[in-house]
Amino acid sequence: AQRVTQPEKLLSVFKGAPVELKCNYSYSGSPELFWYVQYSRQRLQLLLRHISRESIKGFTADLNKGETSFHLKKPFAQEEDSAMYYCALGWASGSRLTFGEGTQLTVNP
Amino acid sequence: KAGVTQTPRYLIKTRGQQVTLSCSPISGHRSVSWYQQTPGQGLQFLFEYFSETQRNKGNFPGRFSGRQFSNSRSEMNVSTLELGDSALYLCASSERTATDTQYFGPGTRLTVL
Repeated sequence: AQRVTQPEKLLSVFKGAPVELKCNYSYSGSPELFWYVQYSRQRLQLLLRHISRESIKGFTADLNKGETSFHLKKPFAQEEDSAMYYCALGWASGSRLTFGEGTQLTVNP
Repeated sequence: KAGVTQTPRYLIKTRGQQVTLSCSPISGHRSVSWYQQTPGQGLQFLFEYFSETQRNKGNFPGRFSGRQFSNSRSEMNVSTLELGDSALYLCASSERTATDTQYFGPGTRLTVL
C-alpha cells in the first residue's frame, strides 16, 4: 500500500542550527515526492518537489530510492521556518496525493 | 489570479443531517482534490475530479460524495453525518493533475454535534 511516514511529530531546533525533517515512503511504482508547508494562519502551500531539484528558502530534499526516503534539509534554520511540514507522495497517474502526518518544526531564537 | 475559495467557512450540524461544501478553483485549473484534515489522522484524501469526472477516490464510506461542474467548481456532500465527521475539509486545485502544484483553499470547518 502507498504510505508516507514522518516519524517526528514535533521537532525543535535553535536558530542557525541544521535541520532535517524525515520522510519515508512505500510505493512500488515510480514515485513523485513533494514537501508542503503550512505557516501559522496561512494556507497549505507547496515548498518543493523532487523532480525540480530546486532549493527553496534554503531547503533541499533528495529522493533516495534505495532507502525510500525524501528527507528535507536546511543547513541553517531561521525563526521564520517554524511551521508544519508535510511530505506527500503522488501516484495513480497523478490523480492522488498521499500525505504524511506532518512534522511541526519550531525554530527557537 | 484569485485563490481557491471555499464556502462556507464554518458549519455546525447535528448527527444525521447532511451537508454540502463548495469549492471554487483558481481560474484555468481543471483538477480539484478534496481532503479531510483531523488532528489524529492528518490529511486524508477524499477524491479528485478532472473535467467533471471523478478520477480517484479515497477510503471513505459512500456517505461522502462529490461532483464537479463544467466550470470546474466542485462540491462535496456528506450525508447522515456522524460525530467523527467533524473536521477541516480542504479543497485544492491544480492545472491538470494532483501532482501539479496544488493550491489549497482555507478550508471549511465542520462541527457535528
